[in-house]
Amino acid sequence: KAGVTQTPRYLIKTRGQQVTLSCSPISGHRSVSWYQQTPGQGLQFLFEYFSETQRNKGNFPGRFSGRQFSNSRSEMNVSTLELGDSALYLCASSTDRGEQYFGPGTRLTVT
Amino acid sequence: AQTVTQSQPEMSVQEAETVTLSCTYDTSENNYYLFWYKQPPSRQMILVIRQEAYKQQNATENRFSVNFQKTAKSFSLKISDSQLGDTAMYFCAFKGQDKSYGGSQGNLIFGKGTKLSVKP
Repeated sequence: KAGVTQTPRYLIKTRGQQVTLSCSPISGHRSVSWYQQTPGQGLQFLFEYFSETQRNKGNFPGRFSGRQFSNSRSEMNVSTLELGDSALYLCASSTDRGEQYFGPGTRLTVT
Repeated sequence: AQTVTQSQPEMSVQEAETVTLSCTYDTSENNYYLFWYKQPPSRQMILVIRQEAYKQQNATENRFSVNFQKTAKSFSLKISDSQLGDTAMYFCAFKGQDKSYGGSQGNLIFGKGTKLSVKP
């Protein structure tokens, strides 16, 4: 089976812009979760989608949003980018046993 | 709220030797899952091993094994016959029961990580 894929792998944006990141889960996995990884805060949970519905949400401002499509692919959007949004954004798809398998991540740099 | 603590920011081990990484967690839930993930310099997060809290038997995956102490809320990872390719950040993670099953939430809560260096 193909693993979790994320596009783009690298992104450079300017403060105030918005960005959309994409994640394709492993075939058959219905749950997709998003995490932000920074040197200071470590790995923090953003949100989880299951069958096109947001099932869980972390403690991030409303500028961070996401959605899931009928084929389980997911996108996350960050509006009005801030310098502090620079991070590695990781997507993970889950089995029914709760194991989460991660994609390679999208490295976002905000200048 | 659940928390995960990894008290060793960095560790090093000689190739072929054994090393143990520590992890403690805090939760009021009885049913949950614990994981160790490895993140090499490529940044790809790789699942190493998984443990269900209701299972008393410690999980093993080839050279990787855990020591799960539920009462003490401790979940250490032992790497035997360390190899150069084991050099990576190792994250301990907790996952509670999904809300639909009466748990708090279903996302992973990570520790800060332990940077492991395997020396030739």
